[in-house]
Amino acid sequence: GEDVEQSLFLSVREGDSSVINCTYTDSSSTYLYWYKQEPGAGLQLLTYIFSNMDMKQDQRLTVLLNKKDKHLSLRIADTQTGDSAIYFCAESGSNSGGYQKVTFGTGTKLQVIP
Amino acid sequence: DSGVTQTPKHLITATGQRVTLRCSPRSGDLSVYWYQQSLDQGLQFLIQYYNGEERAKGNILERFSAQQFPDLHSELNLSSLELGDSALYFCASSVGSGRAFYTDTQYFGPGTRLTVL
Repeated sequence: GEDVEQSLFLSVREGDSSVINCTYTDSSSTYLYWYKQEPGAGLQLLTYIFSNMDMKQDQRLTVLLNKKDKHLSLRIADTQTGDSAIYFCAESGSNSGGYQKVTFGTGTKLQVIP
Repeated sequence: DSGVTQTPKHLITATGQRVTLRCSPRSGDLSVYWYQQSLDQGLQFLIQYYNGEERAKGNILERFSAQQFPDLHSELNLSSLELGDSALYFCASSVGSGRAFYTDTQYFGPGTRLTVL
């Protein structure tokens, strides 16, 4: 079945760039997402990228997609303490019925050190 | 604020009991999804409804059931509760039926924290 892998933990200093990586197995993925979960809160959609794109930039966020290697990354420039959270990668493909199926990664906990 | 509401925010109950979690999707969204998030299992997809009909099933136990009502709100029923059912339960909603050829981005509610003692 589909699988989405992420490293569990990342620690960076405030002001540095953070890069969170994700690999997936479903070659039919149409969209790939990054969600942010702050402590005690739900998942907040940060950004998504269509599978025929290789880069998307949105303010401090840059998403890079290497479809050949099935590798997705999220770069956060000038990381702030407010960026401390768990970041989930997710990919959408289709199930056997032709409907969208979203698979989430295990989440990467980002710790920002002041 | 995603526009998805969930009640209650916290629920504490005993083993063997039954509880109902409620979700109201964003205005205009027809699809509702339920997820379970526990420390050891991560985020697990349980079930999806579209416009009142079950659309997809994930790792949902037979003790759990859900439905979506004509007003599009959804309820997740958990019965014969066990200690291992303690988790955060999230509801998400999206616009359409989830056809893979267009983005059907899911928006998450704040979750219900269930503690089974």
